[in-house]
Amino acid sequence: GNSVTQMEGPVTLSEEAFLTINCTYTATGYPSLFWYVQYPGEGLQLLLKATKADDKGSNKGFEATYRKETTSFHLEKGSVQVSDSAVYFCALSDQGTGNQFYFGTGTSLTVIP
Amino acid sequence: DVKVTQSSRYLVKRTGEKVFLECVQDMDHENMFWYRQDPGLGLRLIYFSYDVKMKEKGDIPEGYSVSREKKERFSLILESASTNQTSMYLCASSLRTGVNSPLHFGNGTRLTVT
Repeated sequence: GNSVTQMEGPVTLSEEAFLTINCTYTATGYPSLFWYVQYPGEGLQLLLKATKADDKGSNKGFEATYRKETTSFHLEKGSVQVSDSAVYFCALSDQGTGNQFYFGTGTSLTVIP
Repeated sequence: DVKVTQSSRYLVKRTGEKVFLECVQDMDHENMFWYRQDPGLGLRLIYFSYDVKMKEKGDIPEGYSVSREKKERFSLILESASTNQTSMYLCASSLRTGVNSPLHFGNGTRLTVT
């Protein structure tokens, strides 16, 4: 079946530190992969996506590369800011299962000045 | 930009009440979804719909029903609210099946059942 596993939080970093949030997946078909971000009190917003192997998604300084050989889609940012404090969700969508989405449990990030 | 609007940000209901959560999207999306979000459990799919008057059970449909009479509107119904349904409820939509379109979420409804 389809599933997503992402690193447990919470993660606390100092401003300008390097961020990595690990995400691995299992899928029966050829999924698309997504990172969503949820700021306090809000719904989830799409951060970036990749639709096929070796694609790199990027947005707002964040990036993630679709690695089929390691079934991974790790989120990275070179220099985090206080405003990046949020919960980050890795997700996959598989056309073979009617484009249902499968989410990780979320990783809470706090960036301190 | 796609806009998904949930009618209430906060709701407080009593045990046994019938509760309606409303969701409207403005981009002619075919697919609509209801999730609940609980700490440590992430997002869990309750129901989804691929078309008007169509509905499919998700992972945790027990205690819930849905209605989709118009393409833009997807309602979640708690027939008899219970305290274990206290949660954040998120509505989402996507363009249609067969394309790699992302989900677009509303801001959520935080429901408390007392």
